[in-house]
Amino acid sequence: EPEVTQTPSHQVTQMGQEVILRCVPISNHLYFYWYRQILGQKVEFLVSFYNNEISEKSEIFDDQFSVERPDGSNFTLKIRSTKLEDSAMYFCASSDRGLLGGASSEAFFGQGTRLTVV
Amino acid sequence: DAKTTQPTSMDCAEGRAANLPCNHSTISGNEYVYWYRQIHSQGPQYIIHGLKNNETNEMASLIITEDRKSSTLILPHATLRDTAVYYCIVTYYGQNFVFGPGTRLSVLP
Repeated sequence: EPEVTQTPSHQVTQMGQEVILRCVPISNHLYFYWYRQILGQKVEFLVSFYNNEISEKSEIFDDQFSVERPDGSNFTLKIRSTKLEDSAMYFCASSDRGLLGGASSEAFFGQGTRLTVV
Repeated sequence: DAKTTQPTSMDCAEGRAANLPCNHSTISGNEYVYWYRQIHSQGPQYIIHGLKNNETNEMASLIITEDRKSSTLILPHATLRDTAVYYCIVTYYGQNFVFGPGTRLSVLP
């Protein structure tokens, strides 16, 4: 069964350093998402991406965050200068349809990257 | 904010049906009801979704009331591996899911 894969599974970084979290979405999917979950809290939406541009982003997704699809398979989340409060699980998700009229589609999530900022 | 209300926690005996309710009284005509679950800190796992008709797949059944203001997820024969947090999400076309706190289901032996 196709799945979304994320690397690394765990990343430890020093405060102020840049990190790049990587995701390989399901191959025929066109819509990509990043979510995060701070320990013990809700899963929070960060950003959605379609057709090589951001389609929606939350208040959390400030100038320190960026996303990119550098090639046909990877989808990355970059945090430019990490803060302690960026420590969380980061989940990538993809779906094959989104706002195309009429039908809906489920999004499939990866197993996440645990980011620890020290 | 999430558009749904769910009980904080529920228990279910192993082998019995687990019925998880969800209220979504402000749902609009084009919004779908999705159910996901999260086991420990793993990525959310898709279970089922529907618009207004009841739906069934290999994992669960989704019963949506006629006025669409509430729904119930049914796991017909719960196992210990079904212990998880279950999220009911209302959204347009499956976009940008807003997760609430969900229902923590404990399946007891």
